Amino acid sequence: GAVVSQHPSRVICKSGTSVKIECRSLDFQATTMFWYRQFPKKSLMLMATSNEGSKATYEQGVEKDKFLINHASLTLSTLTVTSAHPEDSSFYICSALRTRSTDTQYFGPGTRLTVL
Amino acid sequence: KQEVTQIPAALSVPEGENLVLNCSFTDSAIYNLQWFRQDPGKGLTSLLLIQSSQREQTSGRLNASLDKSSGRSTLYIAASQPGDSATYLCAVKNDYKLSFGAGTTVTVRA
Repeated sequence: GAVVSQHPSRVICKSGTSVKIECRSLDFQATTMFWYRQFPKKSLMLMATSNEGSKATYEQGVEKDKFLINHASLTLSTLTVTSAHPEDSSFYICSALRTRSTDTQYFGPGTRLTVL
Repeated sequence: KQEVTQIPAALSVPEGENLVLNCSFTDSAIYNLQWFRQDPGKGLTSLLLIQSSQREQTSGRLNASLDKSSGRSTLYIAASQPGDSATYLCAVKNDYKLSFGAGTTVTVRA
C-alpha cells in the first residue's frame, strides 16, 4: 500500500509554454501533499505544501504565480509550471501524507522537466 | 532554518565492505529523521525512520543511529552489495516539513 504516482514521468516543452504535472495517491487519501524540486547532486527543496480544498502554502522564494498548485481532491494534486523557461528544467517530486497521519510521507517517482 | 549536511558526498567501496554514511543537522528540535534511497532518475524509497525519542532503527543489513543532542545520525550498511549502489538521502522533520541533505552517492564495486 501507500503508492504515489506522478504523470508524466518525463516532459520536454518549449520556452513560454505551460506544463502540468499530476500527483496521485493511489490507495490512500491524502489531505496534504508536498511538491519538491531537485537539482543535480543537490538536496530536495520544498516548494509548497498543498492542502485539499484550500490554497497551497509556498516556501520563501517560490513564485506562486509561476508554480500553480491545485489540490482538488483527496487523491490528486497538480503542479502547473506556467510560461516555462530553461531555468525551470529540473526534477520535480511530490509526496503525500496519509490523512490523519503526521508521520510518513510517501514519495512519487518524480517528473523530469526539460524546457528548451 | 534547519540545515542538513551529509558527508561524504560520494563513496566507492569493494563488495562486502561495510558502509558508514553520516548526516548532521543544525536544529535538534526534530520530530523524526528518515533515511531514503534514490536510484538515478527515480523517486525516493524510505529505508528507515527514527523517531526523536529513539536511538536507532534496524532493518536487515541496515542500521541507523540517532544522537539528537549532537545533531547526528549514521546509517550503517553491512556487507555491501553492488545492488546497494545508489544515492542515500537523510531528511529531518521539524513541524510538518522535511529538510533534506544533498545525499551520499555510493558505488559498490563487484
